[in-house]
Amino acid sequence: GAVVSQHPSRVICKSGTSVKIECRSLDFQATTMFWYRQFPKQSLMLMATSNEGSKATYEQGVEKDKFLINHASLTLSTLTVTSAHPEDSSFYICSARDVYVSSYEQYFGPGTRLTVT
Amino acid sequence: GDSVTQMEGPVTLSEEAFLTINCTYTATGYPSLFWYVQYPGEGLQLLLKATKADDKGSNKGFEATYRKETTSFHLEKGSVQVSDSAVYFCALSQDDMRFGAGTRLTVKP
Repeated sequence: GAVVSQHPSRVICKSGTSVKIECRSLDFQATTMFWYRQFPKQSLMLMATSNEGSKATYEQGVEKDKFLINHASLTLSTLTVTSAHPEDSSFYICSARDVYVSSYEQYFGPGTRLTVT
Repeated sequence: GDSVTQMEGPVTLSEEAFLTINCTYTATGYPSLFWYVQYPGEGLQLLLKATKADDKGSNKGFEATYRKETTSFHLEKGSVQVSDSAVYFCALSQDDMRFGAGTRLTVKP
């Protein structure tokens, strides 16, 4: 149980275009989902926290107009990178918390490798 | 704010050697503590967790004990295998999750 999927696993896009990444909780309900960014050989950096039905909370330094997050249902959150540039190339990982689990555990997706050319 | 300090890597061991990766934390309140493992090109997999003081998490031969008095959650394994080669992250959570820097482990045959 507690599986989180991400789609796509890899995406290459041209500079100036937008790309959407989906994060789904497959077998549980997730009122809260998280989006992380990971640079090579580094730890995960929290970008934003999204709660179902409300606006996402962004970490300091993360541009909310560039990284649009939507959490419209209890099983789906999306991250849209708008007007992507090569510096947005990174590994993006989402996670979700099960509403019925009280240990603050997060279940992680497999990640999406974004390359902007 | 809450934070995690993790032993710097990389760590290189021979197969069947004993592994310790140190992790200490700073937090107000009573966080849950986690060890995650990341294989190349993949997301994070939960290795083990502990939710209160003196709890011991264990999985696949790995174990860690939640020590409130020393604010530590060190990861240990008695005999590592080549397949254990990966990056290991210590983390705490009371709402948001905070990660350590990660420790890259390489096990050689």
